[in-house]
Amino acid sequence: ETGVTQTPRHLVMGMTNKKSLKCEQHLGHNAMYWYKQSAKKPLELMFVYNFKEQTENNSVPSRFSPECPNSSHLFLHLHTLQPEDSALYLCASSPAGGETDTQYFGPGTRLTVL
Amino acid sequence: GQNIDQPTEMTATEGAIVQINCTYQTSGFNGLFWYQQHAGEAPTFLSYNVLDGLEEKGRFSSFLSRSKGYSYLLLKELQMKDSASYLCAVKDSNYQLIWGAGTKLIIKP
Repeated sequence: ETGVTQTPRHLVMGMTNKKSLKCEQHLGHNAMYWYKQSAKKPLELMFVYNFKEQTENNSVPSRFSPECPNSSHLFLHLHTLQPEDSALYLCASSPAGGETDTQYFGPGTRLTVL
Repeated sequence: GQNIDQPTEMTATEGAIVQINCTYQTSGFNGLFWYQQHAGEAPTFLSYNVLDGLEEKGRFSSFLSRSKGYSYLLLKELQMKDSASYLCAVKDSNYQLIWGAGTKLIIKP
């Protein structure tokens, strides 16, 4: 599935840096998601946006700040991260953001915090 | 609490059949998904079950028993390219996806 793109694919940053992850979906979907994937752990839902409005924030630390300017674009702004934040960050989209619709994922950004 | 259990790793032989099990305990049920994820790539949708029974899609089939809180993914005629992680996820009563940690499937020639 190439309908969801993410940049950069790899990112190394220090704990004092500020960086942003970008996600773009070309599927005409109305919901977008940020997930964190750590080795051998279940996917952790971070944020959900439906029609550009944030509808979920799963107790994510404030050093992660999402932004959804329109239904096709989603950003994750990062600042003063910790080494334990190193993980694969996946973006996903779905048609309606609820009920039984299927989520489609981007390839992820591999983040390393030094 | 909510929980999805699946084996951490399985090994199978090229050309054979493998069954990956998933058991779940969730607050409500609104469907079960299977995704495939190759190393370093995006999870890709494989199947969706909401009613009991078997759904067949080519070499892959997925089974659901809601009364037992159980599903399996059956892969037939295994190919080397099937080496990947397989993720089980359940939509709970709030339509939120609860994910398992994934099963890493290793295919040997």
